[in-house]
Amino acid sequence: KAGVTQTPRYLIKTRGQQVTLSCSPISGHRSVSWYQQTPGQGLQFLFEYFSETQRNKGNFPGRFSGRQFSNSRSEMNVSTLELGDSALYLCASSWGHTNTEAFFGQGTRLTVV
Amino acid sequence: DQQVKQNSPSLSVQEGRISILNCDYTNSMFDYFLWYKKYPAEGPTFLISISSIKDKNEDGRFTVFLNKSAKHLSLHIVPSQPGDSAVYFCAASAEGGGADGLTFGKGTHLIIQP
Repeated sequence: KAGVTQTPRYLIKTRGQQVTLSCSPISGHRSVSWYQQTPGQGLQFLFEYFSETQRNKGNFPGRFSGRQFSNSRSEMNVSTLELGDSALYLCASSWGHTNTEAFFGQGTRLTVV
Repeated sequence: DQQVKQNSPSLSVQEGRISILNCDYTNSMFDYFLWYKKYPAEGPTFLISISSIKDKNEDGRFTVFLNKSAKHLSLHIVPSQPGDSAVYFCAASAEGGGADGLTFGKGTHLIIQP
């Protein structure tokens, strides 16, 4: 069974630009969550999608948004990039809600210059 | 305000001995706890979980203990092996979810000495 796939693995963007990251969950998983990992803050929850609906949202500004498609694939978008958005963005999928085991992809390393 | 705390940033253990990683939480709504292992440049790998209705869960060399009254959980690895060297994250969630999804601690870097 294929794992969680995130693309691209690495990305360099300029301040002010926008970026879209993609996540393909494990087949059969309907919940997709996104997390931001930085050295200072650790892993922080961005949002969760289940059956194309955003169910939970973390404490991030509106520049961070996401969506989920009917095949459970998810994208997250960050607009007007800031230097502080440089981080590892991780996607996790699970069969049900987040109180079940979540399986992570390898992440997208975003660098904003 | 950190709701899940891993107070030891790093831990060094000799190969073959027991590794004990600790985690404390403050939110009494948390009722499902997970441990993840992370190597550099990879996503976290799920290790083991425990529901609040249990106080112990075992899977091979890994055992998680939950003390609800103390809001404390620990991960025991016995015996420790070189491949166990990684960063370990404790995570928690509340039944039915909540605004926070999984809440993670900041991790403990476990180093297994040969």
